[in-house]
Parts: sequence; C-alpha cells; structure tokens
Amino acid sequence: DAEITQSPRHKITETGRQVTLACHQTWNHNNMFWYRQDLGHGLRLIHYSYGVQDTNKGEVSDGYSVSRSNTEDLPLTLESAASSQTSVYFCASSKGTSATDTQYFGPGTRLTVL
Amino acid sequence: AQSVTQLDSQVPVFEEAPVELRCNYSSSVSVYLFWYVQYPNQGLQLLLKYLSGSTLVKGINGFEAEFNKSQTSFHLRKPSVHISDTAEYFCAVSDTGGGNKLTFGTGTQLKVEL
Repeated sequence: DAEITQSPRHKITETGRQVTLACHQTWNHNNMFWYRQDLGHGLRLIHYSYGVQDTNKGEVSDGYSVSRSNTEDLPLTLESAASSQTSVYFCASSKGTSATDTQYFGPGTRLTVL
Repeated sequence: AQSVTQLDSQVPVFEEAPVELRCNYSSSVSVYLFWYVQYPNQGLQLLLKYLSGSTLVKGINGFEAEFNKSQTSFHLRKPSVHISDTAEYFCAVSDTGGGNKLTFGTGTQLKVEL
C-alpha cells in the first residue's frame, strides 16, 4: 500500500546542532508539506513543494530549510536547532495543486531541543 | 489571508450523547473547508470537506458538518458519540484559488466518557 513515512519518530538534540527530519511518500504525489504542531497553535506550515526542485516558504519558515531532489522525499533541515523548535513535526502530501486535493499526513516526528 | 477559530479547546461528552465542535473562519476570498481528526500518537486524517454544493457534508465515522456562509461557520456534529471518537479535531481552510495550502485552527480535544 502507498504511504507516507517519517523518520525518526523521536529525536532529542542539543541547541546549535543541525538536524534533518526525513519524509518519504510512495503515492507519487507532486505536492509535499511540512507543518509543526504546538499546543495552542494547531498546525502551522513551515515549507512546501509543488514538485521537484520547487520549494516555498510557509508561515513559520525561519530556521528551517527544505530541498526536493526527487518526487518521493522532502527532508526538513534545522540548520542550528533552538529550544523554540521543540515541537511535533508532520509531513503531508497531496496529488495536485488544486485546493480541493486532500492532504495525507505522516505519523509525525517529536523533536526535543535541549 | 485566512484564519480559523476553534473556540473550544476541550469538549467532554458522555458516550452516546450528541456533540458539536465549533469552527469559525475569516477570509477575504472564497475558501474550501475541512475537518481533520488526530487520534493519539497518530497523524491527521481527513474527516470531511466542503467544496461546493449542498451545505451539509457527511464524512466518515458518522460525522457531518454544515457550512454557513453568512455566519462564516463550519461546525462539526455527531448525533451519538463513541469512546473511540476521543481525539483531537482540527478545522482548516484553503483558498479556492491559492493552491493547496491549509490554514488550521488550534484544535478541539474531544473526550468521550462512559
């Protein structure tokens, strides 16, 4: 079955370290998204991609970067982790760019920055 | 820009009782509306969505929602809840002409008790 996976599921790191969170989907979807989930804020969009070599900033992109070298993967990099980036991170994908297209979510990665 | 308000952060309800989870949105453009559910330690999954047509939308697991344009609301309802409905519920909107990005509310934790 097609799916979307995230790794690692849990990560503890130290302030200032570079961290990369992986997202892999097997639906051959063009669009991929990264969100962070924080209490009292719901989910907020970090970055998104509408295809290979395409990346765009979302609402809370400072301190994060993404690159899209193939259809299946959109890794999220924290260049220098900060305690404010402690959160649960969700990756999502959708088939097309129409606003009607459903986004499918991965299981999430819980990141703790000490 | 759009915003979504979920005024109730927590809703406790007894099993087999009806429930309504409230969602109001603000937008200067036309939007599509979505409800997602997040079970403990899982990613989000789509419950239902309003794109056009009938303002009453039926989703999975017996949930339904009604779009009210004049009140800019999209409340979620279920006539009789089950213990397994305990989860967090997120309302979201997307701009009908702005691609596939979602703006989420802060979520409502539904706790079903015996």
